[in-house]
Amino acid sequence: QVQLVDSGGGVVQPGTSLRLSCAASGFTFSGYAMHWVRQAPGKGLEWVAFISYDGTNKYFADSVKGRFTISRDNSENTVYLQVNSLRADDTAVYYCARGAGGGAYYDYWGQGTLVTVSS
Amino acid sequence: EIVMTQSPATLSVSPGERAALSCRASQSVSNNLAWYQQKPGQPPRLLIYGASTRATGIPARFSGSGSGTEFTLTISSLQSEDFAVYYCQHYNNWPLTFGPGTKVDIK
Repeated sequence: QVQLVDSGGGVVQPGTSLRLSCAASGFTFSGYAMHWVRQAPGKGLEWVAFISYDGTNKYFADSVKGRFTISRDNSENTVYLQVNSLRADDTAVYYCARGAGGGAYYDYWGQGTLVTVSS
Repeated sequence: EIVMTQSPATLSVSPGERAALSCRASQSVSNNLAWYQQKPGQPPRLLIYGASTRATGIPARFSGSGSGTEFTLTISSLQSEDFAVYYCQHYNNWPLTFGPGTKVDIK
């Protein structure tokens, strides 16, 4: 069965960096686009980043452009989100999600990893 | 950026009743619209894509309709497991955006 396992979150100080990982299994990872979506505590969902199945196309929300990067290793079935210059408003649960229907809606989600930015 | 709005913010419904949730887009998204259900402490679950196609394993009591800028998610007869927050999301162009959600709670 399809499984996405998010990891890498934690409590960090403003201005620091983290690398989030999402390990995929149960499907042909190299055939699917992947996304990161975040949810601040008690708030709604915010799309963060997209990477195409082969890593050639990437898109970012304006709120993270220039600070976050997305990458994938199809040999390891893993997608990464490098989050730099963290701010308090980046505090959220970060979910990876598999892109479906051409890559732009999400049919499977990870359980999420919490990033807390606090001094 | 396309702004998605949802109404009402909260919908109080008795079990067995019908619920209709509204989603509007600030400009046309054609039928590139998905609905998700989220329960506390869980990731969202895909219910509907293409505005009206149920995802795999989703019960028939969930239905989606609409196109362009106005969409509706209807739950024909609410079950106890349906009390949750529902989000719409467009995928017509970048950036992808979600609505703020509608919470369906027990009346």
